Order: sequence, then structure tokens, then C-alpha cells
Amino acid sequence: ETGVTQSPTHLIKTRGQQVTLRCSSQSGHNTVSWYQQALGQGPQFIFQYYREEENGRGNFPPRFSGLQFPNYSSELNVNALELDDSALYLCASSLNYGYTFGSGTRLTVV
Amino acid sequence: DQQVKQNSPSLSVQEGRISILNCDYTNSMFDYFLWYKKYPAEGPTFLISISSIKDKNEDGRFTVFLNKSAKHLSLHIVPSQPGDSAVYFCAASVAGGATNKLIFGTGTLLAVQP
Repeated sequence: ETGVTQSPTHLIKTRGQQVTLRCSSQSGHNTVSWYQQALGQGPQFIFQYYREEENGRGNFPPRFSGLQFPNYSSELNVNALELDDSALYLCASSLNYGYTFGSGTRLTVV
Repeated sequence: DQQVKQNSPSLSVQEGRISILNCDYTNSMFDYFLWYKKYPAEGPTFLISISSIKDKNEDGRFTVFLNKSAKHLSLHIVPSQPGDSAVYFCAASVAGGATNKLIFGTGTLLAVQP
């Protein structure tokens, strides 16, 4: 049984660009959530997908969007990148309750 | 509005002693609480949880205490080991909510000195 895998591990983008982060859920997990962890802060909830539908969203603007695929893998897309988007992005998958987190993607916006 | 607060950014403890990490919350709707441990370059790893119907949950060296009237929980690690050195996050949730999203505190960096 594999855990949650995120790619890439590190990424540098320029302000105004777009980025796509990817996540492979733990086997059998049908729910995926994305969190943003800024430096010195705890993870903050971005949104959650259940069976390919968004079913909850945190306080993030619409330029943060996502997808969940039939195999329950997921993407996080961020458009019009801003410097403050620099953070660790964590994906977590779950079945019923209990989250398994990936190691994250470290995004730096310059 | 920080609904989950960890007021101690760091804690240093001698090996073999007890580590006590504290967490306060403001939202009385929270009914499920979790502690996660995070090493650098890794994602948070689940450590222990407690439901609001309990006031204590124990798992090996780790015990979580919940005081609902004070909206306070704590994680006790005894005895502390150097491998416990990590950032510890407290998280809260409304179990059975639409998303069961986790609200995290800002973390406490625990350093266990050999």
C-alpha cells in the first residue's frame, strides 16, 4: 500500500505565471484535501474533493482551483501567481476519517 | 481569526523527561482534535486524536488531555526521546461536518536534548 505522493517536490515560478501541482492519493482513499502552509504557520485548508466533486473550500480566491480524477488522484492549479503564494502545499487523502499527508510541494514565487 | 492556538513556538526538554505541548481553541463546535508531528521535508504524520466525549486518550508514550470547559488540550510525551524532536501541530475539526476539514495551530518546535 503506497502513501500519498506529491509532485514536484520543489518548484520556482515567476509572479503572474500559472502552476499545477499533482497528488496521488493513498490506495482506496476517495477524498483529497489541499492545504497551504506558509513559513511559520500551520497548514491552512484550501479545498476538498470527494468523488471528483469539490465539497468544501477555505478562504482562498478563485484563482486557486482543483480537480480530482476517477482514480482519486488530484491537481491543484494556481493562476496569476503572487509572491505570497510561496509556501509548502500539502495534499492529504482520506477514507471516512483520518488523513494521510504527502510530503508536499515547496513553491517559490519570484 | 486564529481558531486554534499554540502559544509556545518552541519547547526544549531533556531526554527522559516529560514534554507537555499545549493548544487552545475558540470554536465550541469543534468536537474532534488531533496532534500531528512534522519533520523537515516531510508531511505531517498523525500522532494521536481525541473525541470531545472523552477527556483523555493514551497511546504508548503519548497522552492527550482535553478540557472542554477551558477549550484547552495538551499532549504529554513521556519519556521524551531525541527522535521526538520535531514540530508538533494541534488540529481541530467538526466530525461529521460537510468536509471534516482540519484547522491547524501554528505549531510548537520540540527539541529533546540528549
